Amino acid sequence: DVKVTQSSRYLVKRTGEKVFLECVQDMDHENMFWYRQDPGLGLRLIYFSYDVKMKEKGDIPEGYSVSREKKERFSLILESASTNQTSMYLCASRYRAGTEAFFGQGTRLTVV
Amino acid sequence: QQPVQSPQAVILREGEDAVINCSSSKALYSVHWYRQKHGEAPVFLMILLKGGEQKGHEKISASFNEKKQQSSLYLTASQLSYSGTYFCGTVSYYQLTFGKGTKLSVIP
Repeated sequence: DVKVTQSSRYLVKRTGEKVFLECVQDMDHENMFWYRQDPGLGLRLIYFSYDVKMKEKGDIPEGYSVSREKKERFSLILESASTNQTSMYLCASRYRAGTEAFFGQGTRLTVV
Repeated sequence: QQPVQSPQAVILREGEDAVINCSSSKALYSVHWYRQKHGEAPVFLMILLKGGEQKGHEKISASFNEKKQQSSLYLTASQLSYSGTYFCGTVSYYQLTFGKGTKLSVIP
C-alpha cells in the first residue's frame, strides 16, 4: 500500500516562528502537492512539485515556500507564521499525471 | 482557479440517487473524484481521462465532457456509508486543483 506520512498530526506555533511541515511518500511518486483545508473553502493548492528540485506555485502561495531535495520528501515552510495560517494542511502524492493521488492524514496547525 | 461544484450539500434517504457536478474554466487533462469522511484524509474514487478512459471503483460512475470541461459523479442506491464530502479535482498541466466540496448526508 502507498503510504504518505506527514510528520505531525497537531502543531502549535507562535506568531513569527518559522514552521516546517514534512511529507514523505514511499512509492517513488514523481508529483507531490501541499493543500490547506478550511471550512467552506475546500482544498486549496499552495504549491506542487512535479519532480525533484522542481516546484510550482499553486493558487495561494503567499507566505509559504517549499523544498524538494529528495524524491520522497516534500517540505512546506511557513517563513513567518501568522494567525491566518491556522488551518489543516494536507500533503498528497501521485506517480504522474493521469494517476490517482494519495493523501497524508493531515497536520492541524494552530498559530497563536 | 478552483473548479465549481454543485450542489454544495445534499441530504438523501438510503436507496435514493444523487448527482454531483463539477465544472472548470480551464482546458482539462483529467478529472478526479475523492470522498472525505470527517477527520479522515480524502480517499480516491475515480479518475476520468481525456479520451474516455476511466479508472476507479466499480460501484461508482461518472462522466467527463471534455469540450464543456464538466464532470458529473453519479451515486445510485445510496448507502449510509456514502456520507461524506465529495471533492472533484481537475488537472491542467501538472496542477491538481480541487473544488470546495459537496457534503452528502445519507439518512436511514
